[in-house]
Order: sequence, then structure tokens, then C-alpha cells
Amino acid sequence: KAGVTQTPRYLIKTRGQQVTLSCSPISGHRSVSWYQQTPGQGLQFLFEYFSETQRNKGNFPGRFSGRQFSNSRSEMNVSTLELGDSALYLCASSLGRATANYGYTFGSGTRLTVV
Amino acid sequence: DQQVKQNSPSLSVQEGRISILNCDYTNSMFDYFLWYKKYPAEGPTFLISISSIKDKNEDGRFTVFLNKSAKHLSLHIVPSQPGDSAVYFCAAQTGNAGNNRKLIWGLGTSLAVNP
Repeated sequence: KAGVTQTPRYLIKTRGQQVTLSCSPISGHRSVSWYQQTPGQGLQFLFEYFSETQRNKGNFPGRFSGRQFSNSRSEMNVSTLELGDSALYLCASSLGRATANYGYTFGSGTRLTVV
Repeated sequence: DQQVKQNSPSLSVQEGRISILNCDYTNSMFDYFLWYKKYPAEGPTFLISISSIKDKNEDGRFTVFLNKSAKHLSLHIVPSQPGDSAVYFCAAQTGNAGNNRKLIWGLGTSLAVNP
């Protein structure tokens, strides 16, 4: 079956712009979590969506937001981009609530570069 | 404050020998630990996990050991193969069943297995 699909794979934006990233989970998976990966900070949890509701949120400013649609696809949005937002953004899907018991499957990520 | 620490950024071993990747944590409430492997330009893939009520879990060439008193876990790969060369992430699950469950990640250890 198809894995987790993230689009686009690469993105270059300028400071102050906004960006929307998309994640299509594995068919049947209802939970989608988003992570930011940077060399110095590793994987940082952004938020988790389950059944179209945000269930959990990491310590990121309000410029980072997300949503989940009825087909479990998820988008995350970053407004007023800053240079420090340059990172690999990873999406992970899970059958149930995003817990270790269910396991996570990651997409290949979207590489965002802010110039 | 890094709750999950992988103190060795990199490790190099010979093919056929044992690779030992280490991870330390500070939060005694973590109830599940996972190891993920990541190749360049791909998302992390699940490798092996262990519940906090166990001290060992084995899956083929991969074994994870948990020492709760020392708040330390390690991943053993025996024998190591060149295809094992990747970045290995240790992650710990925190929170209780409900809305604050999430994974806390280490910064990763880059393993190079030399032929």
C-alpha cells in the first residue's frame, strides 16, 4: 500500500511569506503528526491531529498551524516565515492516536529553505 | 533541555562487528522507547521499540536493552552491515493516554559501517 506522501519535496520561500505543506497519510490511518528537523535541535514535535481535531501541540509559536481534513489528509501552514524556519518538515501517520503502541510511519519530508 | 540524549554524534564500525548506539534520558515517566533509522533524503523508519516494563527486546540483528535505574538504553546491531549506515534516532514516549502523548527525540547518531 502507498506510504505517507508529503508535498512538495522542496520549497524555497522568502522571509515574510507564508507556506503550506501537505501530508497524505497511509490509507486507513487517522492520526497525523508533524515534526520539524534541524541539525541542532533534532526532531521537534509540532502537533498531532486525529479525527480532524488537534490533539496535542508542541512548543512552537502561533505562526505554525495545521489542520486535518475528513479524509485524514493534513496540512501545516507557517506564516511570516523567518530564516530560522528553514528545516526538514516531517509528517508521520499512525493507525490510532499517535502512540508508540500503534507505531508511526514517516513521509520523506518537505525541505523548506527560507531566504 | 534535552530529555533524550544521544551523546555520540557519530560512530564508525567494521562490517561484521557489533554496533552499540547509546541513549540516555532524564524523565522517569517515559513509558515506551523507540529506535528509528534515517537515510538521507528519506523520513525515519521504525526499527525496534521497548516498553519500560521490559529490559530487553530482540528482533533479528537488532536488540534494545533498557536499564531503568541508569535511565539508559542501547541498541545493539550484530553483525553490522554496510546497509546499516544511517542516522539512528532514539525516541521516548511521554504523557498519559489522552491529549498530551508525544515522542521526545534525541539528536541522532550517525553510524558508518565500513566494508
